[in-house]
Amino acid sequence: GENVEQHPSTLSVQEGDSAVIKCTYSDSASNYFPWYKQELGKGPQLIIDIRSNVGEKKDQRIAVTLNKTAKHFSLHITETQPEDSAVYFCAASNPTGFNKFYFGSGTKLNVKP
Amino acid sequence: DTEVTQTPKHLVMGMTNKKSLKCEQHMGHRAMYWYKQKAKKPPELMFVYSYEKLSINESVPSRFSPECPNSSLLNLHLHALQPEDSALYLCASSLTGTGNEKLFFGSGTQLSVL
Repeated sequence: GENVEQHPSTLSVQEGDSAVIKCTYSDSASNYFPWYKQELGKGPQLIIDIRSNVGEKKDQRIAVTLNKTAKHFSLHITETQPEDSAVYFCAASNPTGFNKFYFGSGTKLNVKP
Repeated sequence: DTEVTQTPKHLVMGMTNKKSLKCEQHMGHRAMYWYKQKAKKPPELMFVYSYEKLSINESVPSRFSPECPNSSLLNLHLHALQPEDSALYLCASSLTGTGNEKLFFGSGTQLSVL
């Protein structure tokens, strides 16, 4: 089955700096990679996703890159703000069968004002 | 409306109690999910319903009993739980339940079993 690894487990940055979170996956059949942000006491919120037919996707301060050959994808947050502080999860899924996601272990991002 | 609504937000129950968690969405989605999340861990899939039929049961103990009365509602009936079942229970929905669909989560029910 699929195995998704996520690094780092914790990340502290100064407000205004950039943050990068990296994930690798093992199953070459995986072709959909969402990123979720989870604030304390809330459920995960989908913030950006990428499909394997593109290499990069951007939405304002957030971008995701995908390297299918190396089987890794990354979340990039620029100009970080204190409200970006949360736990971020990457995930992978493939098109066969039911909509099952394999999640990374999570990254706790702390943006210091 | 892009919300998945879960009630209650918090629940404390004894090991002999019977309780139910409820989930509702009005996005027209035909697939609904239950996940369990322990502190500092990613969500773990428990059940998937697609078109009101149970499609996936990830070998969940029978003390957890899901029910999907219609495509907008999802319940999780709890009976004879153990303290280790204490966790955040998340409901989610997607369009049909086939692969690679966007998944939308509710805010969860924080369950404590005493």
